[in-house]
Amino acid sequence: NAGVTQTPKFQVLKTGQSMTLQCAQDMNHEYMSWYRQDPGMGLRLIHYSVGAGITDQGEVPNGYNVSRSTTEDFPLRLLSAAPSQTSVYFCASSYEFRNSGEQFFGPGTRLTVL
Amino acid sequence: SQKIEQNSEALNIQEGKTATLTCNYTNYSPAYLQWYRQDPGRGPVFLLLIRENEKEKRKERLKVTFDTTLKQSLFHITASQPADSATYLCALEGGSQGNLIFGKGTKLSVKP
Repeated sequence: NAGVTQTPKFQVLKTGQSMTLQCAQDMNHEYMSWYRQDPGMGLRLIHYSVGAGITDQGEVPNGYNVSRSTTEDFPLRLLSAAPSQTSVYFCASSYEFRNSGEQFFGPGTRLTVL
Repeated sequence: SQKIEQNSEALNIQEGKTATLTCNYTNYSPAYLQWYRQDPGRGPVFLLLIRENEKEKRKERLKVTFDTTLKQSLFHITASQPADSATYLCALEGGSQGNLIFGKGTKLSVKP
Protein backbone atom coordinates (compact mmCIF):
# COMPACT_ATOMS: atom_id res chain seq x y z
CA ASN A 1 0.00 0.00 0.00
CA ALA A 2 1.18 3.53 -0.78
CA GLY A 3 -0.71 4.89 2.24
CA VAL A 4 -1.49 8.60 1.97
CA THR A 5 0.04 10.44 -0.96
CA GLN A 6 0.14 14.18 -1.56
CA THR A 7 1.10 16.24 -4.56
CA PRO A 8 2.89 18.50 -5.15
CA LYS A 9 5.62 18.42 -2.51
CA PHE A 10 6.51 22.07 -3.01
CA GLN A 11 4.62 24.95 -4.57
CA VAL A 12 5.17 28.68 -4.93
CA LEU A 13 2.17 30.86 -5.77
CA LYS A 14 1.61 34.53 -6.29
CA THR A 15 -1.05 36.33 -4.28
CA GLY A 16 -4.44 35.82 -5.89
CA GLN A 17 -3.60 32.62 -7.73
CA SER A 18 -5.61 29.49 -7.15
CA MET A 19 -4.47 25.91 -6.95
CA THR A 20 -5.47 22.44 -5.79
CA LEU A 21 -3.49 20.29 -3.40
CA GLN A 22 -4.06 16.63 -4.13
CA CYS A 23 -4.47 13.90 -1.55
CA ALA A 24 -5.18 10.22 -2.08
CA GLN A 25 -5.25 7.15 0.14
CA ASP A 26 -5.46 3.46 -0.73
CA MET A 27 -6.49 2.09 2.66
CA ASN A 28 -10.26 2.43 2.13
CA HIS A 29 -10.49 4.89 5.02
CA GLU A 30 -13.74 6.77 5.39
CA TYR A 31 -12.33 9.67 7.39
CA MET A 32 -9.97 12.14 5.73
CA SER A 33 -8.78 15.55 6.83
CA TRP A 34 -6.54 18.46 5.95
CA TYR A 35 -4.26 20.23 8.42
CA ARG A 36 -1.89 23.12 8.16
CA GLN A 37 1.22 23.34 10.29
CA ASP A 38 2.84 26.65 11.11
CA PRO A 39 5.80 27.35 13.40
CA GLY A 40 4.61 27.84 16.96
CA MET A 41 1.02 26.98 16.07
CA GLY A 42 0.97 23.23 15.79
CA LEU A 43 -1.35 21.32 13.49
CA ARG A 44 -4.69 22.98 12.82
CA LEU A 45 -7.64 21.31 11.14
CA ILE A 46 -8.88 22.98 7.95
CA HIS A 47 -11.59 20.65 6.60
CA TYR A 48 -12.53 17.04 7.06
CA SER A 49 -14.72 14.39 5.50
CA VAL A 50 -16.42 11.36 7.04
CA GLY A 51 -17.15 9.73 3.71
CA ALA A 52 -17.71 10.32 0.02
CA GLY A 53 -20.02 13.28 -0.50
CA ILE A 54 -19.73 14.52 3.09
CA THR A 55 -17.42 17.34 4.15
CA ASP A 56 -17.32 19.78 7.04
CA GLN A 57 -15.28 22.70 8.30
CA GLY A 58 -12.53 22.47 10.85
CA GLU A 59 -10.85 25.13 12.91
CA VAL A 60 -9.43 27.29 10.08
CA PRO A 61 -11.55 26.79 6.91
CA ASN A 62 -11.55 30.31 5.46
CA GLY A 63 -9.97 30.55 2.02
CA TYR A 64 -10.13 26.80 1.38
CA ASN A 65 -12.62 24.49 -0.32
CA VAL A 66 -12.83 20.72 -0.36
CA SER A 67 -14.87 18.04 -2.03
CA ARG A 68 -15.02 14.25 -1.65
CA SER A 69 -16.35 12.54 -4.74
CA THR A 70 -14.62 9.21 -4.02
CA THR A 71 -13.41 7.41 -0.92
CA GLU A 72 -9.82 7.62 -2.14
CA ASP A 73 -9.42 11.32 -3.00
CA PHE A 74 -9.75 14.49 -0.96
CA PRO A 75 -8.41 17.57 -2.78
CA LEU A 76 -7.95 20.93 -1.08
CA ARG A 77 -8.52 24.05 -3.16
CA LEU A 78 -7.09 27.46 -2.45
CA LEU A 79 -9.46 29.92 -4.07
CA SER A 80 -7.31 33.07 -4.05
CA ALA A 81 -3.97 32.53 -2.38
CA ALA A 82 -2.79 34.95 0.29
CA PRO A 83 0.59 35.21 2.05
CA SER A 84 -1.13 34.08 5.27
CA GLN A 85 -1.66 30.70 3.60
CA THR A 86 2.07 30.06 3.44
CA SER A 87 2.36 26.86 5.42
CA VAL A 88 2.97 23.14 5.30
CA TYR A 89 -0.20 21.22 4.50
CA PHE A 90 -0.82 17.67 5.62
CA CYS A 91 -3.55 15.32 4.54
CA ALA A 92 -4.51 12.50 6.88
CA SER A 93 -6.85 9.54 6.85
CA SER A 94 -8.28 7.27 9.51
CA TYR A 95 -10.41 4.16 9.61
CA GLU A 96 -12.66 5.56 12.33
CA PHE A 97 -14.48 8.83 12.62
CA ARG A 98 -14.07 10.76 15.85
CA ASN A 99 -10.41 9.92 15.62
CA SER A 100 -10.20 7.17 18.18
CA GLY A 101 -8.22 5.37 15.53
CA GLU A 102 -4.74 6.36 14.49
CA GLN A 103 -4.38 8.91 11.78
CA PHE A 104 -2.14 8.22 8.80
CA PHE A 105 -0.49 11.36 7.48
CA GLY A 106 0.85 12.13 4.04
CA PRO A 107 4.33 13.59 3.47
CA GLY A 108 3.04 17.15 3.24
CA THR A 109 3.00 19.99 0.73
CA ARG A 110 5.13 23.04 1.47
CA LEU A 111 3.34 26.07 0.04
CA THR A 112 4.78 29.57 -0.26
CA VAL A 113 2.57 32.47 -1.30
CA LEU A 114 4.43 35.58 -2.43
CA SER B 1 -12.99 24.72 24.15
CA GLN B 2 -10.31 22.17 24.89
CA LYS B 3 -6.70 23.31 24.88
CA ILE B 4 -3.51 21.30 24.91
CA GLU B 5 -0.17 22.37 26.29
CA GLN B 6 3.09 20.58 25.76
CA ASN B 7 5.20 22.26 28.36
CA SER B 8 8.60 22.06 26.77
CA GLU B 9 9.39 23.27 23.30
CA ALA B 10 12.69 21.41 23.44
CA LEU B 11 14.22 18.70 25.59
CA ASN B 12 17.88 17.67 25.47
CA ILE B 13 19.02 14.46 27.11
CA GLN B 14 21.97 12.10 27.08
CA GLU B 15 21.84 8.77 25.30
CA GLY B 16 20.71 5.97 27.59
CA LYS B 17 18.62 8.21 29.84
CA THR B 18 14.85 8.24 30.05
CA ALA B 19 13.10 11.08 28.24
CA THR B 20 9.85 12.30 29.78
CA LEU B 21 7.54 14.56 27.81
CA THR B 22 4.45 16.22 29.24
CA CYS B 23 1.05 16.94 27.74
CA ASN B 24 -1.57 18.88 29.71
CA TYR B 25 -5.13 19.69 28.75
CA THR B 26 -7.39 22.29 30.25
CA ASN B 27 -11.03 21.28 30.19
CA TYR B 28 -12.98 18.04 30.14
CA SER B 29 -11.14 14.75 30.12
CA PRO B 30 -11.02 13.31 26.62
CA ALA B 31 -12.04 9.77 25.85
CA TYR B 32 -8.53 9.08 24.57
CA LEU B 33 -5.20 10.69 23.94
CA GLN B 34 -2.69 9.94 21.19
CA TRP B 35 1.04 10.48 20.75
CA TYR B 36 2.77 11.00 17.39
CA ARG B 37 6.36 11.34 16.25
CA GLN B 38 7.33 13.82 13.55
CA ASP B 39 10.69 13.95 11.80
CA PRO B 40 11.84 17.07 9.93
CA GLY B 41 10.16 17.41 6.54
CA ARG B 42 7.79 14.50 7.16
CA GLY B 43 4.25 13.93 8.33
CA PRO B 44 3.47 12.78 11.88
CA VAL B 45 3.53 9.06 12.58
CA PHE B 46 1.20 7.49 15.15
CA LEU B 47 2.88 5.90 18.17
CA LEU B 48 0.37 5.14 20.92
CA LEU B 49 -3.22 5.68 21.99
CA ILE B 50 -4.36 5.58 25.60
CA ARG B 51 -8.00 5.66 26.68
CA GLU B 52 -9.41 7.43 29.72
CA ASN B 53 -9.92 4.18 31.62
CA GLU B 54 -6.30 3.14 31.09
CA LYS B 55 -3.65 4.41 33.48
CA GLU B 56 -0.66 3.25 31.50
CA LYS B 57 0.24 1.76 28.15
CA ARG B 58 3.55 0.39 26.89
CA LYS B 59 5.06 -0.37 23.52
CA GLU B 60 8.68 -1.53 23.45
CA ARG B 61 10.71 1.36 24.98
CA LEU B 62 7.72 3.70 25.04
CA LYS B 63 5.36 4.23 27.95
CA VAL B 64 2.39 6.56 28.18
CA THR B 65 0.42 7.44 31.29
CA PHE B 66 -2.92 9.21 31.54
CA ASP B 67 -3.93 10.98 34.75
CA THR B 68 -7.44 12.41 34.46
CA THR B 69 -7.17 14.05 37.89
CA LEU B 70 -4.10 16.04 36.92
CA LYS B 71 -5.38 16.40 33.31
CA GLN B 72 -2.02 15.21 32.13
CA SER B 73 -0.34 12.58 30.01
CA LEU B 74 3.32 11.67 30.32
CA PHE B 75 5.27 10.08 27.48
CA HIS B 76 8.44 8.21 28.41
CA ILE B 77 11.20 6.85 26.19
CA THR B 78 13.52 4.57 28.14
CA ALA B 79 17.12 3.87 27.14
CA SER B 80 16.93 6.74 24.68
CA GLN B 81 18.97 6.68 21.48
CA PRO B 82 20.04 9.42 19.05
CA ALA B 83 17.55 7.88 16.59
CA ASP B 84 14.76 8.92 18.99
CA SER B 85 15.51 12.57 18.23
CA ALA B 86 12.36 14.04 16.73
CA THR B 87 9.38 16.20 17.61
CA TYR B 88 6.67 14.45 19.60
CA LEU B 89 3.07 15.59 19.41
CA CYS B 90 0.20 14.77 21.68
CA ALA B 91 -3.36 14.89 20.39
CA LEU B 92 -6.77 14.41 21.89
CA GLU B 93 -10.43 14.61 21.05
CA GLY B 94 -11.27 18.23 21.60
CA GLY B 95 -12.57 19.94 18.51
CA SER B 96 -16.14 21.14 18.28
CA GLN B 97 -17.02 18.16 16.11
CA GLY B 98 -15.04 15.69 18.15
CA ASN B 99 -12.01 16.01 15.95
CA LEU B 100 -8.43 15.67 17.11
CA ILE B 101 -6.60 18.74 18.32
CA PHE B 102 -2.82 18.70 18.51
CA GLY B 103 -0.30 20.18 20.86
CA LYS B 104 2.55 22.23 19.45
CA GLY B 105 5.02 19.46 20.09
CA THR B 106 8.23 18.92 22.03
CA LYS B 107 11.48 18.63 20.12
CA LEU B 108 13.59 15.91 21.68
CA SER B 109 17.34 15.76 21.07
CA VAL B 110 19.25 12.75 22.31
CA LYS B 111 23.01 13.33 22.43
CA PRO B 112 25.49 10.45 22.12
